[in-house]
Amino acid sequence: DAGVIQSPRHEVTEMGQEVTLRCKPISGHNSLFWYRQTMMRGLELLIYFNNNVPIDDSGMPEDRFSAKMPNASFSTLKIQPSEPRDSAVYFCASSRPGQGPVNEQFFGPGTRLTVL
Amino acid sequence: AQSVAQPEDQVNVAEGNPLTVKCTYSVSGNPYLFWYVQYPNRGLQFLLKYITGDNLVKGSYGFEAEFNKSQTSFHLKKPSALVSDSALYFCAVRDPGSGNTPLVFGKGTRLSVIA
Repeated sequence: DAGVIQSPRHEVTEMGQEVTLRCKPISGHNSLFWYRQTMMRGLELLIYFNNNVPIDDSGMPEDRFSAKMPNASFSTLKIQPSEPRDSAVYFCASSRPGQGPVNEQFFGPGTRLTVL
Repeated sequence: AQSVAQPEDQVNVAEGNPLTVKCTYSVSGNPYLFWYVQYPNRGLQFLLKYITGDNLVKGSYGFEAEFNKSQTSFHLKKPSALVSDSALYFCAVRDPGSGNTPLVFGKGTRLSVIA
């Protein structure tokens, strides 16, 4: 199994530019989670999907952030326009269906975003 | 609301000594508890979980954790620490009645194992 795949691994951009982060969950997993990690705030949940449907986006910091999951094997997190305070490591995670609460989440390697 | 607390930001241990990383939880009912490890520039990796049954759970890389309901704790332990265990450790909880909802993570504890 390839695990959760994220791209790009590193992104450096200038303030005001649009940034798109991509995630491919593990095949067969039906829940997908986007997290952001910073030194100051630790690990924050941004949004999660079940069966491609957004369930809770209360963690999305501002309207500049948006996420989509057009199908079971792909999700994007977009920041438009980006700001320096968005600099962080963004993680995608997925978990399988079935037993619900007992399932662990599998994390991707993360995308390190730097906004200059 | 469910939550976990990791009271120590940093734990330092000498190589070969036993290590403990502390975690306490708050949840209604019986919790599902998880431990993850994050090595530098990597994603979080699952170590172990407690769902039900034996209070002592064994996981990857020789780690184990003990569920203590009376103390609402789920401390991570290892009998003999290795330098390679140095990493950031996260405790997480999920309410069993919450379906496949996101895990609620603690702030993390940085473990340094000194040779």
